[in-house]
Amino acid sequence: DTGVSQDPRHKITKRGQNVTFRCDPISEHNRLYWYRQTLGQGPEFLTYFQNEAQLEKSRLLSDRFSAERPKGSFSTLEIQRTEQGDSAMYLCASSLGSGFTEAFFGQGTRLTVV
Amino acid sequence: AQKVTQAQTEISVVEKEDVTLDCVYETRDTTYYLFWYKQPPSGELVFLIRRNSFDEQNEISGRYSWNFQKSTSSFNFTITASQVVDSAVYFCALQGARGDTGRRALTFGSGTRLQVQP
Repeated sequence: DTGVSQDPRHKITKRGQNVTFRCDPISEHNRLYWYRQTLGQGPEFLTYFQNEAQLEKSRLLSDRFSAERPKGSFSTLEIQRTEQGDSAMYLCASSLGSGFTEAFFGQGTRLTVV
Repeated sequence: AQKVTQAQTEISVVEKEDVTLDCVYETRDTTYYLFWYKQPPSGELVFLIRRNSFDEQNEISGRYSWNFQKSTSSFNFTITASQVVDSAVYFCALQGARGDTGRRALTFGSGTRLQVQP
């Protein structure tokens, strides 16, 4: 499978715990995005990498959230001290190029904070 | 700021009916792209189409067609002769040159759930 891969697919955690998600983009894709999707809503942009550089962060990304893409390949999204409001689907997408190109999405990680 | 509105929350049709999903957008960018994505129950967003702001030609791909009207800031999606496999949530999205959502990030609408009954 050469699509965007996300791990884990599901995560249940207790409030206050830290969680980390991983995204493996399509190989050679230089751009990587994280989005968050809550029930009944469209995905909302969280952050964006071009290669290993994190170029944009949404106001939605509080200080408890941190994302990395250390070698310009896979990326991790960590949420510290999780809150119930963090429960959502976290989607990763990747694209190739510098202009307007379509992004390809992974199947997402569904986080439930209890 | 950029905004995408999909006023239809849910549509239910019977197989073989035609159905149109509406999308209205707002942007200050003169250069932008519009997208439609399909999200089946599995959760993965599947890319359907991309149109740039300078190309208002309608596009047809099999049973799918798209009508882009810059004058009304709309990018509507029609499925002809719908099938049960078309049941999914469909998202319209906008990608601009700038915007408070991030460089080249997509701004999504809230989606339209399409249910095609056999």
